[in-house]
Amino acid sequence: GAVVSQHPSRVICKSGTSVKIECRSLDFQATTMFWYRQFPKQSLMLMATSNEGSKATYEQGVEKDKFLINHASLTLSTLTVTSAHPEDSSFYICSAKQGHGFHFGNGTRLTVT
Amino acid sequence: GNSVTQMEGPVTLSEEAFLTINCTYTATGYPSLFWYVQYPGEGLQLLLKATKADDKGSNKGFEATYRKETTSFHLEKGSVQVSDSAVYFCAQFANAGGTSYGKLTFGQGTILTVHP
Repeated sequence: GAVVSQHPSRVICKSGTSVKIECRSLDFQATTMFWYRQFPKQSLMLMATSNEGSKATYEQGVEKDKFLINHASLTLSTLTVTSAHPEDSSFYICSAKQGHGFHFGNGTRLTVT
Repeated sequence: GNSVTQMEGPVTLSEEAFLTINCTYTATGYPSLFWYVQYPGEGLQLLLKATKADDKGSNKGFEATYRKETTSFHLEKGSVQVSDSAVYFCAQFANAGGTSYGKLTFGQGTILTVHP
């Protein structure tokens, strides 16, 4: 079946630094990818919709200058958390749309110290 | 916008017990409905889906029927196993119209723990 690879699975960074998370569709092309944030024991919150070759569409309340999304190819979308702060610590999950289905990465646990 | 409401957990069952996790939705139009499962520290895996009214999705002993009249998509399994312990998410995909068009909207998730 379709596979979405998310990297890294865990990252620890210092406050003020930037972190890049990659989401790759391994065996299919994805013109649309999604980035979610999940707080402990809570549901997934959609942050933005990433469209290949165009600007991402951010959900209300999500800072686009802080969470930079790039979808330069049909198999790769990246989320960069800029000037990270401890409150950005969370579990980030990407998803790629294929036809009428959605395939999820295994998530990235970000800890900002 | 569209929304999904799930039965609050956590749910704790003994092995071989019957499972029901309730899910209802509000939507503009007729969404596709999904159940996803999340194991600790992992992303989401599709468990089953239904794309139109009266469709029944099934997988690994789990079932859910798309009920338009009650706007529900309850998840059931006749005999749970310890390995079913996970978080279960109900979701809808808006096929047309409104601010939720083209997006998956998730319920809050239900933690299931199955004891031997």
